[in-house]
Amino acid sequence: EAQVTQNPRYLITVTGKKLTVTCSQNMNHEYMSWYRQDPGLGLRQIYYSMNVEVTDKGDVPEGYKVSRKEKRNFPLILESPSPNQTSLYFCASSLRGGHYEQYFGPGTRLTVT
Amino acid sequence: GQNIDQPTEMTATEGAIVQINCTYQTSGFNGLFWYQQHAGEAPTFLSYNVLDGLEEKGRFSSFLSRSKGYSYLLLKELQMKDSASYLCAVRDNNAGNMLTFGGGTRLMVKP
Repeated sequence: EAQVTQNPRYLITVTGKKLTVTCSQNMNHEYMSWYRQDPGLGLRQIYYSMNVEVTDKGDVPEGYKVSRKEKRNFPLILESPSPNQTSLYFCASSLRGGHYEQYFGPGTRLTVT
Repeated sequence: GQNIDQPTEMTATEGAIVQINCTYQTSGFNGLFWYQQHAGEAPTFLSYNVLDGLEEKGRFSSFLSRSKGYSYLLLKELQMKDSASYLCAVRDNNAGNMLTFGGGTRLMVKP
């Protein structure tokens, strides 16, 4: 089944404790991206990647890191999480950038205390 | 940057037609998407417009006017399961390949 998977789905952590949210797609897509979704602010892009070893900042990259060592994986790293990073995170992929539709993962609900 | 505006909430009756508007300001327009998102779930793709005009797909249609910076999503023969948020998103050539989303319109369909 073609899909985007994220792990974990739910995470409660404390300020400053490094964490990684994994994202994987099995559709051989070139383009992958990370979003956060907050009430009243909608979906905001954190980082995106046009292909392996190519990443770019989105609207809200501060406090996040990403890497794209393989085509299928695009992990999101929070080196020192803070409470303002409490949010619902979505990973998405598409065949390429441009006009191709994005397929979203199920979401990761992160709480930082 | 980009500015995308949609109504926050709308209510409609089962079986009726509803139009959800989206206006945007962007320097290098390169396509507009509509996504549907049910509460607690991931967004799913509905439609894509890059040229002016109407794109029809079953009960859903999407319209674009690039000169007016305007799009709408038209939902016909509303069903209860259409209760969801509808997200308008714009891609801008001058912002790399970033996709910027509006805040979404929460649609409630009543019997």
